[in-house]
Amino acid sequence: GQNIDQPTEMTATEGAIVQINCTYQTSGFNGLFWYQQHAGEAPTFLSYNVLDGLEEKGRFSSFLSRSKGYSYLLLKELQMKDSASYLCAVKDSNYQLIWGAGTKLIIKP
Amino acid sequence: SAVISQKPSRDICQRGTSLTIQCQVDSQVTMMFWYRQQPGQSLTLIATANQGSEATYESGFVIDKFPISRPNLTFSTLTVSNMSPEDSSIYLCSVDGQGRGEQYFGPGTRLTVT
Repeated sequence: GQNIDQPTEMTATEGAIVQINCTYQTSGFNGLFWYQQHAGEAPTFLSYNVLDGLEEKGRFSSFLSRSKGYSYLLLKELQMKDSASYLCAVKDSNYQLIWGAGTKLIIKP
Repeated sequence: SAVISQKPSRDICQRGTSLTIQCQVDSQVTMMFWYRQQPGQSLTLIATANQGSEATYESGFVIDKFPISRPNLTFSTLTVSNMSPEDSSIYLCSVDGQGRGEQYFGPGTRLTVT
């Protein structure tokens, strides 16, 4: 079967750095996506990786290793507004999105 | 990115009734997706709706319970039929972005069935 694993919850301090990991086993791979979802709101697209390596976008970076079935989302200079759930999703060989359960990130002052 | 609106934003419905949720996109899109998200859970795909053809349903979802219309390239509806409390959830529509295949979501419809 297809599976995406993420930690359920993480806590970090304002101003610090946090890394949210995602491992996947899917039938084929056509890209990995990270989404941010604030409580009571819809998910919003953060990043996309299809080749190995690091993609940087401001305070957020996303890394992919296809051989290891592994990705992480790195958030720097954490702000209180970064408190949200972060969803990892992979497009499989049929271009269908397989979603992880999400990681709830709690930022403390 | 596409701008997506949904109606209603929330509703409280009685058991046994039906609710139709509308999704409007500000640009023409080939595929639209309907998801369900229960409290504290991730997204579950209900079906994919292409204009001019029958919707494709995921395992565990059937057309009689969740009929979908897709009359044109900017609009779709999802009906939740013969509702039970287990249907209480947030229902989201989404569309594919251009190029990379990321999805953009509407604001969601929060449904409570009593």
